[in-house]
Amino acid sequence: EPEVTQTPSHQVTQMGQEVILRCVPISNHLYFYWYRQILGQKVEFLVSFYNNEISEKSEIFDDQFSVERPDGSNFTLKIRSTKLEDSAMYFCASSVGRQETQYFGPGTRLLVL
Amino acid sequence: QKEVEQNSGPLSVPEGAIASLNCTYSDRGSQSFFWYRQYSGKSPELIMSIYSNGDKEDGRFTAQLNKASQYVSLLIRDSQPSDSATYLCAVKVETSYDKVIFGPGTSLSVIP
Repeated sequence: EPEVTQTPSHQVTQMGQEVILRCVPISNHLYFYWYRQILGQKVEFLVSFYNNEISEKSEIFDDQFSVERPDGSNFTLKIRSTKLEDSAMYFCASSVGRQETQYFGPGTRLLVL
Repeated sequence: QKEVEQNSGPLSVPEGAIASLNCTYSDRGSQSFFWYRQYSGKSPELIMSIYSNGDKEDGRFTAQLNKASQYVSLLIRDSQPSDSATYLCAVKVETSYDKVIFGPGTSLSVIP
């Protein structure tokens, strides 16, 4: 069964460093998403992406964040200058269509020291 | 501010019993509702989606939606220890294209 994959599974970085989280969505899906979940808190929507551009973003998704689909398979989330409060689990998700079910990847646990 | 509320639990039920999980939401125009299961340290896994008022059954799971009351629930029949997890209610916000708002989750423990 096709699934969303994410790399790395864990990332430790120093405050102020740039990180890139990678995702490979399900191959026939057209909509891509990033969510984050701070430990013990809710899953929070960050951004959606369709047709090579951001479709929607939340108030969390500020100028420190960017997303890109550099090729036909990968979907990346970049955090330019990480802060301690960026420590969280980051989930990528994809869906066939806007109204369809979003399938989540296993997540990348980011720890900012 | 759009909100999704759930009892945080923990909800404990004996094996074989029915577990009932509840969720309320604030956005009256919402049309799409989802229940996800999340094991500790893992990603959310979709159990059910529901779009119309009434009940929707899938195996041991039944989702119930009442848009007038802004209420959605999940019933798990014949609960198994493997059902022990956090259950997340998620609602697609009507006024946005893609944003899904998650509730805080209800922790379910099925006691053998």
